[in-house]
Amino acid sequence: EVQLVESGGGLVKPGSSLKLSCVASGFTFSSYGMHWIRQAPKKGLEWIALIYYDSSNKYYADSVKGRFTISRDNSKNTLYLEMNSLRSEDTAMYYCAKITGSGDFDYWGQGVMVTVSS
Amino acid sequence: DVVLTQTPPTLLATIGQSVSISCRSSQSLLHSNGNTYLNWLLQRTGQSPQPLIYLVSKLESGVPNRFSGSGSGTDFTLKISGVEAEDLGVYYCMQFTHYPPTFGSGTKLEIK
Repeated sequence: EVQLVESGGGLVKPGSSLKLSCVASGFTFSSYGMHWIRQAPKKGLEWIALIYYDSSNKYYADSVKGRFTISRDNSKNTLYLEMNSLRSEDTAMYYCAKITGSGDFDYWGQGVMVTVSS
Repeated sequence: DVVLTQTPPTLLATIGQSVSISCRSSQSLLHSNGNTYLNWLLQRTGQSPQPLIYLVSKLESGVPNRFSGSGSGTDFTLKISGVEAEDLGVYYCMQFTHYPPTFGSGTKLEIK
């Protein structure tokens, strides 16, 4: 059974840093690209980052470029999102998602909440 | 960025009724490789999004065949043939043809 389990969220002050993790199981993690997608409270979905299966390419939304870094450790089946210079508008539920070669976001984690507030 | 416009924003349906949700893109979603990367997702209250359809019309494993997707270019439709109570939630279309991937604003399906 495929599972994606996010962790590392919490309440932080503006300007702070936080690192999210997404532990994968039930599939060959090192063979698939992975995404981070977020959802602000009562709002829609916003894609924020993609990393290729071998970390050879990384892409970011303009809203987080230069502040967030996506990475992965295939030996640990873990995806990361390092978030710096956090702003109140970064407050959201953060989801990791697996993608297939067909552009199918076929599995999503349960999400982890990040709240940025003074 | 590609803008996906979903209509209607809210849909009120009775059990057994067939309904459709429209997703219109600001640009053609036909990729140069011949694929059209248009997906549909359902988010039930308090849950993470659940994929329903990818590549316009391909059903995810385990998704009931009362769900179907169609369309091409800039106009796409999700149809539910015979709504069931478990179908309530917010439906999103999303595109992955152009960077960055973008999502529609959602259609909330409520059951009468």
